[in-house]
Amino acid sequence: AQSVTQLDSHVSVSEGTPVLLRCNYSSSYSPSLFWYVQHPNKGLQLLLKYTSAATLVKGINGFEAEFKKSETSFHLTKPSAHMSDAAEYFCVLKAAGNKLTFGGGTRVLVKP
Amino acid sequence: NAGVTQTPKFQVLKTGQSMTLQCAQDMNHNSMYWYRQDPGMGLRLIYYSASEGTTDKGEVPNGYNVSRLNKREFSLRLESAAPSQTSVYFCASSEARLTYQETQYFGPGTRLLVL
Repeated sequence: AQSVTQLDSHVSVSEGTPVLLRCNYSSSYSPSLFWYVQHPNKGLQLLLKYTSAATLVKGINGFEAEFKKSETSFHLTKPSAHMSDAAEYFCVLKAAGNKLTFGGGTRVLVKP
Repeated sequence: NAGVTQTPKFQVLKTGQSMTLQCAQDMNHNSMYWYRQDPGMGLRLIYYSASEGTTDKGEVPNGYNVSRLNKREFSLRLESAAPSQTSVYFCASSEARLTYQETQYFGPGTRLLVL
């Protein structure tokens, strides 16, 4: 069985400060891992993905994530938050087969 | 290139009514998916179609039916809507299901309220 746990349901940061969104996974197979962002009343947009190449993955809008197999983690970071980063973020796992497993989501609030 | 489009954007139904959610993609993708999103539960797969002419159940198929009309279009039907089906529905597509590295691209969603 595979699962994804996003450790924080809400994160609040000030504009210009770093953002850290935590994601742990469980999988019997070597996984692919994705981060998606969902802005209010919008669909999901792919931020970045890990597919067994480099463990540090750079995505759009200044986000990056590091795959750590020993810690079964795939945390998402951004050095400096922008107001436009206020959204909900989903960590997603895909192992063997077709199924995506979604984390519960982390809602990010950015304070001016 | 519109990507994945969904209609309608919003819908209110009474219990027992039926409706069809439409999804189309213009990326020539082989695989298409229907998810529902409920608070705190992420997205859950309802049905998917690996290729034109095939459909398979996902995690939460009860109360739904699907039709892969052609390569571009994948519809989701609620025959007798129930309040438990109040949710946001997302359609997605991907190039192929042959590798686990594929990326799924999502539509903007349909917000459904069943009274």
